[in-house]
Amino acid sequence: GNSVTQMEGPVTLSEEAFLTINCTYTATGYPSLFWYVQYPGEGLQLLLKATKADDKGSNKGFEATYRKETTSFHLEKGSVQVSDSAVYFCALSDGDYGQNFVFGPGTRLSVLP
Amino acid sequence: NAGVTQTPKFQVLKTGQSMTLQCAQDMNHEYMSWYRQDPGMGLRLIHYSVGAGITDQGEVPNGYNVSRSTTEDFPLRLLSAAPSQTSVYFCASSYRASGVNEQFFGPGTRLTVL
Repeated sequence: GNSVTQMEGPVTLSEEAFLTINCTYTATGYPSLFWYVQYPGEGLQLLLKATKADDKGSNKGFEATYRKETTSFHLEKGSVQVSDSAVYFCALSDGDYGQNFVFGPGTRLSVLP
Repeated sequence: NAGVTQTPKFQVLKTGQSMTLQCAQDMNHEYMSWYRQDPGMGLRLIHYSVGAGITDQGEVPNGYNVSRSTTEDFPLRLLSAAPSQTSVYFCASSYRASGVNEQFFGPGTRLTVL
């Protein structure tokens, strides 16, 4: 079945540091890929998405590129802020409605001032 | 739009008690789902629905029932709560769009079963 693997962390960075959170996936078809973010005490919010190979999703300074050859969707940000502290989830979906949504375990990021 | 709403935000139950977690969305989404979130395990799908009157099981359905009588509402019922059901529960919804299955999440219900 489909699966998502991501570094579990926690990841601790200083403000303005470069961020990479690795995500790789296993899927039989051509899934859509997502990064969700969960701030403390809240639900998940979509951060960015990509629907086909070589697509780059971007939002709020975060970027991720759909790499079919390496089955990866790594999340990057050039300069993190304290407000980026949250849990980040990589996910994939290959169903018409999203019933085959699969999440990674999440990576907790803490950014120190 | 309120988006996806969930009630209650917190709940404490005793083993064997029953309760219903409420979920509603005002975006006219066809698809709704329930997940549980446990430390180190990401989100696991409990049940989902692709439209009113249609439901199906996800990865971890045991101990939970659902129904979908309207497009807006998708309640999750625990018939006899067990400590293993202590978790944070999220409801989500999405529309059907070719190639894009973005899900919108509610704020969650934190459930403790003693």
